[in-house]
Amino acid sequence: DVKVTQSSRYLVKRTGEKVFLECVQDMDHENMFWYRQDPGLGLRLIYFSYDVKMKEKGDIPEGYSVSREKKERFSLILESASTNQTSMYLCASVTGYGYTFGSGTRLTVV
Amino acid sequence: AQSVAQPEDQVNVAEGNPLTVKCTYSVSGNPYLFWYVQYPNRGLQFLLKYITGDNLVKGSYGFEAEFNKSQTSFHLKKPSALVSDSALYFCAVRERENQGGKLIFGQGTELSVKP
Repeated sequence: DVKVTQSSRYLVKRTGEKVFLECVQDMDHENMFWYRQDPGLGLRLIYFSYDVKMKEKGDIPEGYSVSREKKERFSLILESASTNQTSMYLCASVTGYGYTFGSGTRLTVV
Repeated sequence: AQSVAQPEDQVNVAEGNPLTVKCTYSVSGNPYLFWYVQYPNRGLQFLLKYITGDNLVKGSYGFEAEFNKSQTSFHLKKPSALVSDSALYFCAVRERENQGGKLIFGQGTELSVKP
């Protein structure tokens, strides 16, 4: 089975900090995605990547950037964390019709 | 633009009763449709998908869903609910022509099954 690992389950950061959320998949998938999940809003796409060094903006990219230097790792970066970025962040790895999600990182910005 | 609607924030059923979680979608062209479940403090787990073929799709844990093209719906069903089915359920859609497989999610429906 595909495994998607998000390095942290819970994070607490201060406003203005630069925050890195890491996601690693173990099946050589080309397509990876970052979503944020908020109550009543479902999952919203932040960024996605089709291959190494490639990235595309999703529906809510403002305040975020991403990095994909190696195929297995897709990092989400909050350049200057703000309280409205407090959320659950989910990474997904995709091949064909199969989407595998990580366990999520619950980020609190104080 | 693509969209998915789950009209009910919460569904309450008694254990042993049938359950339905509703989902409607809007895409240009033919869709790929998915249901995911999320237990507290966990990631999303795949339940089932519709790609093509039979409109009735069977998935994990006894769940099934029916694709209705004329009503643009993909409701999730189970004949007999269990307390352990209590969780957050998400419907998602992907356009067939959508490169890279972006999924668009509904808002989620909280299912509560009482003994």
